[in-house]
Amino acid sequence: ILNVEQSPQSLHVQEGDSTNFTCSFPSSNFYALHWYRWETAKSPEALFVMTLNGDEKKKGRISATLNTKEGYSYLYIKGSQPEDSATYLCALTDSGGYQKVTFGTGTKLQVIP
Amino acid sequence: DAGITQSPRHKVTETGTPVTLRCHQTENHRYMYWYRQDPGHGLRLIHYSYGVKDTDKGEVSDGYSVSRSKTEDFLLTLESATSSQTSVYFCAISEDSAIMNTEAFFGQGTRLTVV
Repeated sequence: ILNVEQSPQSLHVQEGDSTNFTCSFPSSNFYALHWYRWETAKSPEALFVMTLNGDEKKKGRISATLNTKEGYSYLYIKGSQPEDSATYLCALTDSGGYQKVTFGTGTKLQVIP
Repeated sequence: DAGITQSPRHKVTETGTPVTLRCHQTENHRYMYWYRQDPGHGLRLIHYSYGVKDTDKGEVSDGYSVSRSKTEDFLLTLESATSSQTSVYFCAISEDSAIMNTEAFFGQGTRLTVV
């Protein structure tokens, strides 16, 4: 079982502030990293899938970077809005098989108006 | 939104009784997954399916069985429910290239309480 760690566990920011959080994972046997956004009472929604070292993905005000050599990914939110409040999950797929996706415990973001 | 329906959405059952949760998809995706989500843990894979009648175990499969008799339905059965199986269960699907490098779509979840 892979160890996928996310930090911080929870985060409160003021509306308009930019923020970022981290997903750390073992760099060996890396295949893909996924970021999901999970709003309360809803189901997780995919944000990004990244596979290459140095990958950068962007969707609106949200972007992510990937460093497979050192085993981390950052998720950035620029100019946070209350609707960004959610839990952000990262998930690691290793090269051991397509079923082996390990989820982190998430970073819970609360944007204060 | 991807067409994934979980049923029931909420269930309370007694210890020792069998329980079946259903996941139904209208996307014709090959891969289907059952996860459980508990406080302090990420989503943990129970079982998955890579085709009709093709299933395999995930990391927390003890006490659970699954069946997939047709593409659109993936059933999760708790043969004899225990309190440790109180959880929120999520079904997910992904396209033919599997969950490795493509996104997964999740159902709305089923909250199961075993008393």
